Order: sequence, then structure tokens, then C-alpha cells
Amino acid sequence: GENVEQHPSTLSVQEGDSAVIKCTYSDSASNYFPWYKQELGKRPQLIIDIRSNVGEKKDQRIAVTLNKTAKHFSLHITETQPEDSAVYFCAASISYGQNFVFGPGTRLSVLP
Amino acid sequence: DAGVIQSPRHEVTEMGQEVTLRCKPISGHNSLFWYRQTMMRGLELLIYFNNNVPIDDSGMPEDRFSAKMPNASFSTLKIQPSEPRDSAVYFCASVDSVNTEAFFGQGTRLTVV
Repeated sequence: GENVEQHPSTLSVQEGDSAVIKCTYSDSASNYFPWYKQELGKRPQLIIDIRSNVGEKKDQRIAVTLNKTAKHFSLHITETQPEDSAVYFCAASISYGQNFVFGPGTRLSVLP
Repeated sequence: DAGVIQSPRHEVTEMGQEVTLRCKPISGHNSLFWYRQTMMRGLELLIYFNNNVPIDDSGMPEDRFSAKMPNASFSTLKIQPSEPRDSAVYFCASVDSVNTEAFFGQGTRLTVV
């Protein structure tokens, strides 16, 4: 089955700096790669996703890149703010809700 | 739509007791996932259903865990008998076949003493 790895497990950055989180996956059939943000005591919520037919997607301060050949994808957050502090999860899935597997998470702390 | 609804929000039970967690997915979503979240193991996929049929239960830790989805609007995760190491937050998520985004419920915090 699918296995998703994620690094780093914790990340501290100064406010205004960039943060990068990297994930790798094992199943070459996976074609949907979402990122979820989980604030303390809350449920995970989707912040951005990318499908296998594109290499990069951007939404304001957040961007995701995908390298299907190497089977890895990354989340980039620019101009970080304290409210970006949370746990971020990557996931890999085959279309239509098949086998939605999450990485172990990255705890991001943005220091003022 | 009220989103994915889980009940109860909190459950405290004694070791050996049966625990049943409930989930109502978003109407029209045809995939449902059960996850367990702990500090040590992160978000673990326990089991998922497509069109009410269990597809992969390889993440279910032991025979003490069972899950059912009798219809498109309801699923249960049962632990019998419960043990202290089952203490965790259990999330249910549903996905539709078009957008593929997984919507999570608010979770059930289970404490087994």
C-alpha cells in the first residue's frame, strides 16, 4: 500500500521567513496530493492540493510543487505569520477517494 | 450541509468496556475514512469505505476494532474490549468522487482509564 513520509517533523522559523515541508510517497499510482493544516484542538482542513497533471500550484503565500518522477512534493509558505503556526500534513491518494494516506505531520512554529 | 458529524465529542470509559464511535458523512459523499490520531503515531488510517463497502481495513490495529457502514449516511467504529492504549482522537472523514477533498469531522476524544 501507499506510504507517505514527511520532513521535518518540527520546524521553527522567524516571522516573515519562508517555510518548506517535504513529502515523499511510494505508490506511483497516486495522483492527488493535498496538504492539510491542523490547529491545536481542531480538525485538519485542506489548504492547498495538487494533481499529477501539474508541477506547481500557488495560492497567495502558499505554493506546492510536485515531482512525479522522484515521487516527492513540497509545501512552501512565504512571509510566514504567527497564525501559520500549526501541524501540517501531506497526503497522497488515488483519484476518487481511494486510500487517503497521510504523512506523519510537521509542527510549524512561527516565532514573532 | 452541516459537514461531517461525529458523536460523541468526548468519551471516557473504563478498560474492558465497549465503545462505539459514530459518524455521519456529508450527503452525497461516497468514500468514508476512519483515522486515529496520537502524538506518537500521527494520523493513522484505520479503514475506509467506498459506496458503503469496506475496501481496506489493514490499518485496524486488532480484532478488538471493527467498523461498519450500514448505509450511505452512517458509520460506526467499535472497540470491544477497550484498553488504555486506545486513548486517542478518532476522526472520520468523507470524500466525494468529484473534488477528492477529504472533509473531517470534529473528532471524538476517547480516554480509556
